[in-house]
Amino acid sequence: DQQVKQNSPSLSVQEGRISILNCDYTNSMFDYFLWYKKYPAEGPTFLISISSIKDKNEDGRFTVFLNKSAKHLSLHIVPSQPGDSAVYFCAADPLSSGSARQLTFGSGTQLTVLP
Amino acid sequence: DADVTQTPRNRITKTGKRIMLECSQTKGHDRMYWYRQDPGLGLRLIYYSFDVKDINKGEISDGYSVSRQAQAKFSLSLESAIPNQTALYFCATSDQGSTEAFFGQGTRLTVV
Repeated sequence: DQQVKQNSPSLSVQEGRISILNCDYTNSMFDYFLWYKKYPAEGPTFLISISSIKDKNEDGRFTVFLNKSAKHLSLHIVPSQPGDSAVYFCAADPLSSGSARQLTFGSGTQLTVLP
Repeated sequence: DADVTQTPRNRITKTGKRIMLECSQTKGHDRMYWYRQDPGLGLRLIYYSFDVKDINKGEISDGYSVSRQAQAKFSLSLESAIPNQTALYFCATSDQGSTEAFFGQGTRLTVV
């Protein structure tokens, strides 16, 4: 049973509009969450993270929101650009493990930003 | 140059063959990992190593072995490849105390 779920395999958005990527988790022990972006033929690269003590973290055009009661997080990209087209992975870590050995990844969402 | 380099980038091998995937890093991190990505399943941890003398199994270690030859090198071996090991394999590193992983470009392995 997947503990981190990204229920939308794909998302298409018009350039300049907002992209919202969603992620749900089931393990209440998770307390640190990360988003990775992956281009074709490249490895995933870290994008943004959030600790469970916060409900929002912002970095430029990227904002991650965390709703602990709903066990839900979302990544907002505003405004979306064609270069944002990639697969986005949500990942969760339990109780600040201090390493990547317990990261649990979602299955990814392919974002396509249309010019 | 990439901080985490994987070789080969693509490989096709036959069932029963032994194959080694190599990973080297210039980030100076002690911690290295091997992940596997399958469609619809995200990335899953195969093995990890926190230093040269440390090897640990991950979620899906059966059928795989690893060797940490040096701080900068971590190789993954399939002793007898089988078709369901066809996947995209990623090596990653992380700094001590950090959850953030830095990934290589990946190795696409096909077992026929």
